[in-house]
Amino acid sequence: GAVVSQHPSRVICKSGTSVKIECRSLDFQATTMFWYRQFPKKSLMLMATSNEGSKATYEQGVEKDKFLINHASLTLSTLTVTSAHPEDSSFYICSARTGNQETQYFGPGTRLLVL
Amino acid sequence: GENVEQHPSTLSVQEGDSAVIKCTYSDSASNYFPWYKQELGKRPQLIIDIRSNVGEKKDQRIAVTLNKTAKHFSLHITETQPEDSAVYFCAPDTGRRALTFGSGTRLQVQP
Repeated sequence: GAVVSQHPSRVICKSGTSVKIECRSLDFQATTMFWYRQFPKKSLMLMATSNEGSKATYEQGVEKDKFLINHASLTLSTLTVTSAHPEDSSFYICSARTGNQETQYFGPGTRLLVL
Repeated sequence: GENVEQHPSTLSVQEGDSAVIKCTYSDSASNYFPWYKQELGKRPQLIIDIRSNVGEKKDQRIAVTLNKTAKHFSLHITETQPEDSAVYFCAPDTGRRALTFGSGTRLQVQP
């Protein structure tokens, strides 16, 4: 099956710093990637949709200047949390799909802790 | 946007019993209905999905039924085992945007 990787798996940073999370499709070309955030014991909430070669589409309430998304190639999307604060601490998960297929393949997630 | 409700929020069953989780959605354009299983700290894993032109789909102990008229679909797990314990999410998709996840159901299978 399709494999999606994420890096890093976990990161601890100081408040005010920026953190970049990478999402890669390893054996397929992902025309669309999605970024979700999940707080403890909660559901996955969509943050943004990332389309290769174009600007990301952000969900209502998600600050695009704080969560920078770049989908520069068909196998890589990055999420940068800028000026991180403790309330940004969460589990960030990406997913990817190709073409018109509905099936989404999820990355293993990145656990971010902002001190 | 899509409004998704999932019930129950928690479900405890004895090993060998069946478990049913129901998901209702609001967007009549939804045409793809997956169920995901998520273990603690892990990624969601697709366990079964169904498309709008089918009413039921079965894969061994797992089945999904769809009622498009009533806008709900259900996950059925038979002969539950302790390893079925996890959080289950429905996530209907209109095909035009990303998945909208339900609030999740924590299933506990007691040995």
